[in-house]
Amino acid sequence: NAGVTQTPKFRVLKTGQSMTLLCAQDMNHEYMYWYRQDPGMGLRLIHYSVGEGTTAKGEVPDGYNVSRLKKQNFLLGLESAAPSQTSVYFCASSEDSLNTEAFFGQGTRLTVV
Amino acid sequence: DAKTTQPNSMESNEEEPVHLPCNHSTISGTDYIHWYRQLPSQGPEYVIHGLTSNVNNRMASLAIAEDRKSSTLILHRATLRDAAVYYCILRDLLDGANNLFFGTGTRLTVIP
Repeated sequence: NAGVTQTPKFRVLKTGQSMTLLCAQDMNHEYMYWYRQDPGMGLRLIHYSVGEGTTAKGEVPDGYNVSRLKKQNFLLGLESAAPSQTSVYFCASSEDSLNTEAFFGQGTRLTVV
Repeated sequence: DAKTTQPNSMESNEEEPVHLPCNHSTISGTDYIHWYRQLPSQGPEYVIHGLTSNVNNRMASLAIAEDRKSSTLILHRATLRDAAVYYCILRDLLDGANNLFFGTGTRLTVIP
């Protein structure tokens, strides 16, 4: 099993450009999450999804959009990148229960210049 | 969201036990206690979790105070690979997102 796979691993964008980060999981998990991690800080939730076709805002959603058209994929979009969005982005997935673990991808390092 | 308090950093000698403390004085009855760790340049990985009773698995042990206002993650024999940031997280049964709220964690340094 691949677990949670993020694409791409690294990206440099110019201010104002757009891009989409892809997260794919092969564990048939209902819940999927997008986090960002800034230097020296913990992870902060951007958006999440509790099932196919559903999305919801997290702690820091501004400037991002998401879609969950297929259960296994969760896409994070930046329509007009800003330097403040320079960060490491992590995707995670879990079953629909608190009594289970969440699985994280390896991260996408995004730099906006 | 219930908060947790952890020391910013700790050191341990290799092959010695490590006790990582976490205070969560505002914990509610529906909060699970989760521990994750993040190795350098990697995503977080699950370590252990519990509700009321102490828990053991192949990676670590979790000791939960009787009043549940604090817990301790125990690594029985630290190895160099255990050097990471350890996060103590409360996961709320009543939170529909089943979200994990990360703080800044404890950075563990293992000394050879």
